[in-house]
Amino acid sequence: QSVLTQPPSASGTPGQRVTISCSGSGSNIGSNTVHWYQQLPRTAPKVLMYSTNQRPSGVPDRFSGSKSGTSASLAISGLQSEDEAAYYCATWDDSVNGWVFGGGTKLSVL
Amino acid sequence: EVQLVQSGAEMKKPGESLKISCKGSGFGFTGHWITWVRQMPGKGLEWMGIIYPGDSDTRYSPSFQGQVTISADKSTNTAYLLWSSLKPTDTAIYYCARSSSPYGFLDHWGQGTLVTVSS
Repeated sequence: QSVLTQPPSASGTPGQRVTISCSGSGSNIGSNTVHWYQQLPRTAPKVLMYSTNQRPSGVPDRFSGSKSGTSASLAISGLQSEDEAAYYCATWDDSVNGWVFGGGTKLSVL
Repeated sequence: EVQLVQSGAEMKKPGESLKISCKGSGFGFTGHWITWVRQMPGKGLEWMGIIYPGDSDTRYSPSFQGQVTISADKSTNTAYLLWSSLKPTDTAIYYCARSSSPYGFLDHWGQGTLVTVSS
């Protein structure tokens, strides 16, 4: 069972907007920034969003991140077929003194 | 170009030892942190631990403390993950990844090493 809670799956049709949630606690999301990783099928993860709402170079602005209290969200607008992947939230946890990941959300584009 | 190149897939028997590697290039290896992440078959990502090759400062997840050893050789820009006695439950893909601080995001990842432990 992961320290951060994500829905196991999400789906949408091309062009739609979808949101993936990530719920934690005061020792992790409540105290630290959140990062999101995208893992395309059979590939290594890559950073999609860092420090809650910063996009690395090359990540389209269809992706956005936010945080409120002990929860964070990743939003994807204008959904495209190539967005079909697993998405993981992650943050530092002060009580564990280490990184914690969410269980991952598998996004399907119908 | 920043690269983390991991060693190839391994097939081992329970009880055997194993060391897999992660070689960095295109950046100051001793000035960054290297994290190891486990992904069991069909499962999510798990943080195992982190090392600063500059001085070998190493921190482990409580879940992996005592189960693996993380090390680095700054002369060859290589980080290692070592098991002294493998179990079938160690079957997984192991990724190394780079960050600028122990609290920083993982900005570059290796391609992963598949470890299969079976009798």
